[in-house]
Amino acid sequence: EVQLVESGGGLVKPGGSLRLSCAASGFSFSPFAINWVRQAPGKGLEWVSSISRNSDYIYYADSVKGRFTISRDDAKNSVYLQMNILTAEDTAIYYCARVFPRIADRGSFDVWGQGTMVTVSS
Amino acid sequence: EIVLTQSPATLSLSPGERATLSCRASQSVSTYLAWYQQRPGQAPRLLIYDASNRATGIPARFSGSGSGTDFTLTISSLEAEDFALYYCQQRSDVYSFGQGTKLEIK
Repeated sequence: EVQLVESGGGLVKPGGSLRLSCAASGFSFSPFAINWVRQAPGKGLEWVSSISRNSDYIYYADSVKGRFTISRDDAKNSVYLQMNILTAEDTAIYYCARVFPRIADRGSFDVWGQGTMVTVSS
Repeated sequence: EIVLTQSPATLSLSPGERATLSCRASQSVSTYLAWYQQRPGQAPRLLIYDASNRATGIPARFSGSGSGTDFTLTISSLEAEDFALYYCQQRSDVYSFGQGTKLEIK
């Protein structure tokens, strides 16, 4: 089964850090770009960051630029999101999503994980 | 930054009716537009990519149209499971999502 599974969410104090992981299974991981998308409670979807295959192209939303870092380890079929200097506005469910089609640097998101909740609160 | 504006914010219809959802871009995105469905407590699901192509496993009652700045998602005859949130997304300039349309049962 093609699957993405996020982990690493939790409760963190303002100004703190958290590292999210997205583990892929059921498909050949390395040719696919992967994105992080978040959804604050009761709100819409917000794209956060994107990493292409080979990590050639990396993009961030303005709201997280300079604070978040995306990376990938193809040997572990995983993508990571290092989140620093967290604020209450970062509280959200964080989803990872696969880009379709294969080898495209940008595309539609055809496979999504179930999400991991990040809560920033004192 | 490309801003996507979806309308209406809420659409109230009955099963069997036709639904028409709109998405307008602040500048041309060509046909680099996708539609997603999100049911409560679930992750989004890709419905339509590149404006008019149904994703794998999506029923034929879902169709997309448009190019440039104006796009439409049409559900020809609503079924109970179609009442959900719908988002458009562009990939012309990195990515952005619309604010969503809630399709509710009348």
